This record gives sequence, structure tokens and C-alpha cells, in this order.
Amino acid sequence: DAKTTQPPSMDCAEGRAANLPCNHSTISGNEYVYWYRQIHSQGPQYIIHGLKNNETNEMASLIITEDRKSSTLILPHATLRDTAVYYCIVTMDNYGQNFVFGPGTRLSVLP
Amino acid sequence: SQTIHQWPATLVQPVGSPLSLECTVEGTSNPNLYWYRQAAGRGLQLLFYSVGIGQISSEVPQNLSASRPQDRQFILSSKKLLLSDSGFYLCAWIIHRGGRDGYTFGSGTRLTVV
Repeated sequence: DAKTTQPPSMDCAEGRAANLPCNHSTISGNEYVYWYRQIHSQGPQYIIHGLKNNETNEMASLIITEDRKSSTLILPHATLRDTAVYYCIVTMDNYGQNFVFGPGTRLSVLP
Repeated sequence: SQTIHQWPATLVQPVGSPLSLECTVEGTSNPNLYWYRQAAGRGLQLLFYSVGIGQISSEVPQNLSASRPQDRQFILSSKKLLLSDSGFYLCAWIIHRGGRDGYTFGSGTRLTVV
């Protein structure tokens, strides 16, 4: 069974905020939410992770609902270079066989 | 600085030929190293990981093998390639092992078996 569910694709206008949702209704108390992105023909890039609290770094913000059953990755001012596949991963470990990359969401930032 | 090198970037090999992909890291010692594969339009599949020299764990049975002859070198091999081995192969490591930061991936090798 998939641990996360993401929409297969989304569009966002350049300069606007991109809000990428992820459902993880079966998340357990000690599992983290990780976000990566993969620009075409490159390796995935780590973006952000969180456990319970909302997190922000230079790339994005992560909003986790109070019940932790879903989260949203926010790119505050999307640029064309943010066009990529975004992966939401739920895991206790930040490595190894428990770190599963699903199909992700293909975000297209439009000019 | 910590960097990861992976080569070649692209490779076209005939069915039945051998394969050797190399990954090296710089700027750290005793990293955890990983090989992933991504088939066209699919997510990433963990193939092998290594926590030290000579220590290899295999996640998926297949005709591929991995070796770690040196601390910062991770090699993916095959004696005879199959058409199904085509894909995008990625080497990765965890920068802060034991911490909560994420993987750093290499630039990948796109393998086409013909």
C-alpha cells in the first residue's frame, strides 16, 4: 500500500505560490515527512522535512496538519526553474529501504 | 566541500555486454552510499546500499551487483546486461549520517541497453 498520495500533475503561474499537497493518512507518530524534487534528467534534490511543526528554509515551507494526515509544500514565488517532479516521502528513516520514492507530482511553472 | 561524482553521464550498451558504473564522493569519510534506478516515467527504486568498505546490502534480486572497494567509491556492475536494465542510475549518500538531513544524489547515468 502506498504511504503517500499526490496528484500526478499541477500547473502554477510564474511568480505565484505553488502549493503541492500530499496525503499520508496512515502516518505513524515517529515518521517524518520529506520532500524532494527532481528536475528533468537530474538526480533528486532534498528540499525540506518535518515531523509535527511547520518548517521553512531557503527553498520552501512545509505545512503539516495537526492530525499529521496531510501536508503541503509551498514554493512561495515559483520560477520556471521550479518545474520538476516533487516527491513526498513518509518514513522513520532518512535513508535506505524505507525511503520510497513514488511517482510524485509533476509541477509545471508557466510563464 | 562535499561532492559526489558519477560517470559516465550516458551509456549505450548491447544486450549481453558487461556494465560498470562508478560513483565517488569527496569531502567526507565513511559515508553511507546508495544505488538507485529510475525506469522511464517511474519513481526511484533502491538497488543497493553500503555502510562501509566491502559491506553491500541488496534490495532487489537482479543481474546487477555492487561493490565498495574503497571508502569513498561505490561501483555498480553487471556481467550480462538485459534490455530491462535500461534506466537512469543514481548514486546517493547521506551527508549527515545519523541526523535528519536528506540524501544528496549524483547527476546520474542514463543507460540504454539495445
